[in-house]
Amino acid sequence: GQQLNQSPQSMFIQEGEDVSMNCTSSSIFNTWLWYKQDPGEGPVLLIALYKAGELTSNGRLTAQFGITRKDSFLNISASIPSDVGIYFCAGLNYGGSQGNLIFGKGTKLSVKP
Amino acid sequence: EADIYQTPRYLVIGTGKKITLECSQTMGHDKMYWYQQDPGMELHLIHYSYGVNSTEKGDLSSESTVSRIRTEHFPLTLESARPSHTSQYLCASARDRGVGEQFFGPGTRLTVL
Repeated sequence: GQQLNQSPQSMFIQEGEDVSMNCTSSSIFNTWLWYKQDPGEGPVLLIALYKAGELTSNGRLTAQFGITRKDSFLNISASIPSDVGIYFCAGLNYGGSQGNLIFGKGTKLSVKP
Repeated sequence: EADIYQTPRYLVIGTGKKITLECSQTMGHDKMYWYQQDPGMELHLIHYSYGVNSTEKGDLSSESTVSRIRTEHFPLTLESARPSHTSQYLCASARDRGVGEQFFGPGTRLTVL
């Protein structure tokens, strides 16, 4: 079945640093979504991407839909302690998986104050 | 902001008990989902529904069952809970199949002793 490879699996960075994570797949996706999950809570949608090449920002977050439609990245600029959490990418292929999202395994972000 | 609710937030029960996890959304979304997630790990789709009287099993086999009698309500039931069912259960809903954006509830943390 379709799979998303999300990397890195975890990151431990200094406050103020920029962060970059990405998702790749051998399959084409029509939509890419990025979620953040705080401990004990449900994932919250950060950014949604609908077109190949699209670059979208949400505050300090920037995400891009890869031109090949097989990858996406998320950047966080000037990280702060509240950025701690697990970030999940998710892809949607209209023709596959019966229209359900495919999730990556997550990138766990830890920030030193 | 998405309006999707799950109760209870935390549940500790003994082996063999029957439990129902509640999920409700007030957005009129047709699509609803249940995911199972161990702490800090990936999300596994266990059930989904595309509308009233429609339920399907997800990618991860689960002994739980679901029902969809009303658009806004998608409860999950375990007839006889076991320690292997200990996990976090996340409910989500989506507005439209093609767009793909899923909105998550806060989750139910289930512990079976």
